[in-house]
Amino acid sequence: IAGITQAPTSQILAAGRRMTLRCTQDMRHNAMYWYRQDLGLGLRLIHYSNTAGTTGKGEVPDGYSVSRANTDDFPLTLASAVPSQTSVYFCASSKEITDTQYFGPGTRLTVL
Amino acid sequence: AQSVSQHNHHVILSEAASLELGCNYSYGGTVNLFWYVQYPGQHLQLLLKYFSGDPLVKGIKGFEAEFIKSKFSFNLRKPSVQWSDTAEYFCAVTPPGTGRRALTFGSGTRLQVQP
Repeated sequence: IAGITQAPTSQILAAGRRMTLRCTQDMRHNAMYWYRQDLGLGLRLIHYSNTAGTTGKGEVPDGYSVSRANTDDFPLTLASAVPSQTSVYFCASSKEITDTQYFGPGTRLTVL
Repeated sequence: AQSVSQHNHHVILSEAASLELGCNYSYGGTVNLFWYVQYPGQHLQLLLKYFSGDPLVKGIKGFEAEFIKSKFSFNLRKPSVQWSDTAEYFCAVTPPGTGRRALTFGSGTRLQVQP
C-alpha cells in the first residue's frame, strides 16, 4: 500500500542522547517535510526538502538536522535531545512543494 | 508576522447541529488553502483544498469551505455533524509560485460532537 511510514511509533529518550526519526515514502514524491505538533500550536515546520539532495530550514529548525540522500527517505536527527523537543513528529510528502501534502502516522517522542 | 488564525479552539456541538469553523490568513497575493482533519489517535488527512476556480469547495464526508478573498478567510462548514466528526481540524495555507517552503498551519480547532 502506497504511503508514508515512520519509525519508531514512540520513544522515550534521555536528555543529551542522539536520536534519528525515520521517514520513508513510496509515492515518488519530490518534496518531503518534518513537522512537530504541540498542543495549542498546531503543526510547525522543522525542515523540508524540495527534492533529493536538497534541504532547507523551516520555522523551528534549531536542534534538528535532516538529510535527503534519495527520493524515498528523509530522516530527522536530534543530535543532543532536550526536554523541549518532547512532541509528536509528523513526516509528510507532496509531489511538488506546493501540492497537497500526505502525512505519516507520527512519532511520539518524550525527552526526559 | 504572516500567519494563519483559527479563532475557535474548542467547539462542542450536538449531533445534527450545523458547523462552521473559522480560518483567516494574513498572506497577500494568491494562496493555496487546505483543511486537514486529525481523528483521535490518527494522522492528518486532507478534507478539502482550494487552489483556484469556484471559491466554494466540496470535500469528503459532507464538508465544504468557502474562500472569501476580500476577507482573507477560508471557513469550513458542515450542515449536520455526526459523532464521528469528533476530531481536530487544521486550516493550512501556502502561497504558490513564491518558493515558499511548505504549509503554515493554524493552531487547530478541537471539535467534540455529543451524541
